[in-house]
Amino acid sequence: DSGVTQTPKHLITATGQRVTLRCSPRSGDLSVYWYQQSLDQGLQFLIHYYNGEERAKGNILERFSAQQFPDLHSELNLSSLELGDSALYFCASSVATSGYNEQFFGPGTRLTVL
Amino acid sequence: AQSVAQPEDQVNVAEGNPLTVKCTYSVSGNPYLFWYVQYPNRGLQFLLKYITGDNLVKGSYGFEAEFNKSQTSFHLKKPSALVSDSALYFCAVRPDAGNNRKLIWGLGTSLAVNP
Repeated sequence: DSGVTQTPKHLITATGQRVTLRCSPRSGDLSVYWYQQSLDQGLQFLIHYYNGEERAKGNILERFSAQQFPDLHSELNLSSLELGDSALYFCASSVATSGYNEQFFGPGTRLTVL
Repeated sequence: AQSVAQPEDQVNVAEGNPLTVKCTYSVSGNPYLFWYVQYPNRGLQFLLKYITGDNLVKGSYGFEAEFNKSQTSFHLKKPSALVSDSALYFCAVRPDAGNNRKLIWGLGTSLAVNP
């Protein structure tokens, strides 16, 4: 158990809908990262937050947004969902923003868009 | 462009044999290098990292990796494979120089250890 929690574990929804994925980092970790993992594109970095502020953006679509709250939990909002958004979404946390800190991954949320 | 390559999509080894999962990179400066493992239906788990110092680093579950600066490689190794090592392995590299210091991930290598 990494100490990172994600809810829900599974999510099934329809095209055009909006969903929110939630992540609680390990106790003491200030950095939260979001990733999308699909069969055809592998692991894609989406966005990084540190202590409530956005630090880096990856391949995140404009339909997707995220935020990190004062209690350090984070939410990833996916809107106007398309079939291609079906994937595993992971969040990871690390103690700081330094590049040498390893990341601890949550169990993931499996999103299915029908 | 900065990149990480895991040249083998799949590696098959017999239980008890040594295993190697390859990773090469092209990034600026002196990189930080990581290996992660993903078991089926699980999140990724950190295995080991190289930041500085001894080129041979040891990690979890008996894995080790050797940083080779001249060959820009960071291959993951284990002397004797177990069936339970069967999983997806990811190499990740973070440049320590330049404007873009985001972690760069390889596409993963699926390791199958046969009994």
